[in-house]
Amino acid sequence: KAGVTQTPRYLIKTRGQQVTLSCSPISGHRSVSWYQQTPGQGLQFLFEYFSETQRNKGNFPGRFSGRQFSNSRSEMNVSTLELGDSALYLCASSNTEMRNLYGYTFGSGTRLTVV
Amino acid sequence: AQSVTQLDSQVPVFEEAPVELRCNYSSSVSVYLFWYVQYPNQGLQLLLKYLSGSTLVKGINGFEAEFNKSQTSFHLRKPSVHISDTAEYFCAVTLGAPDMRFGAGTRLTVKP
Repeated sequence: KAGVTQTPRYLIKTRGQQVTLSCSPISGHRSVSWYQQTPGQGLQFLFEYFSETQRNKGNFPGRFSGRQFSNSRSEMNVSTLELGDSALYLCASSNTEMRNLYGYTFGSGTRLTVV
Repeated sequence: AQSVTQLDSQVPVFEEAPVELRCNYSSSVSVYLFWYVQYPNQGLQLLLKYLSGSTLVKGINGFEAEFNKSQTSFHLRKPSVHISDTAEYFCAVTLGAPDMRFGAGTRLTVKP
């Protein structure tokens, strides 16, 4: 079955702009989590969506937001981009009940560069 | 609270040598432990996981890990590495927390 699909793979944006990233989870998975990966901070949890509702949120400013659609696809949005937002953004899907047993399946990520 | 510490940020080894990547965790309750591998410009791929039972867990690509409850460790090992094993490796823990907690990563570089 198809894996987790993230689009686009690469993005270059200018400071102050906004950006939207997309994630399609594995078919049947209802939970989508987003992580930001940077060389300095490692993998940091952004938020998790389950059945179109944000269930959990990490410690990021309100410029970072997301949503999930009825087909479980998720988008995350970053407004008023800053240079420090340059990172690899990873989406991970799971069958929530089994997340603790099977972990996540990750997408290949979207590499965002803010100039 | 749960946290994960990977004791080495970089590990250089020669091809066909054994390797151990160290991971310690802290938790007041039992946890589930995972190792993921990340190749350049890719997402994370699950190598292996410990849920319960045997403390020696075998994963893909010849990797194995040993869970040691008394030392709260979950070290990853491979008896003979290949050039293709060059990647970043992440230890992770979960149970009850809203998210999976990852270590800072260990960059394994295999030299010819």
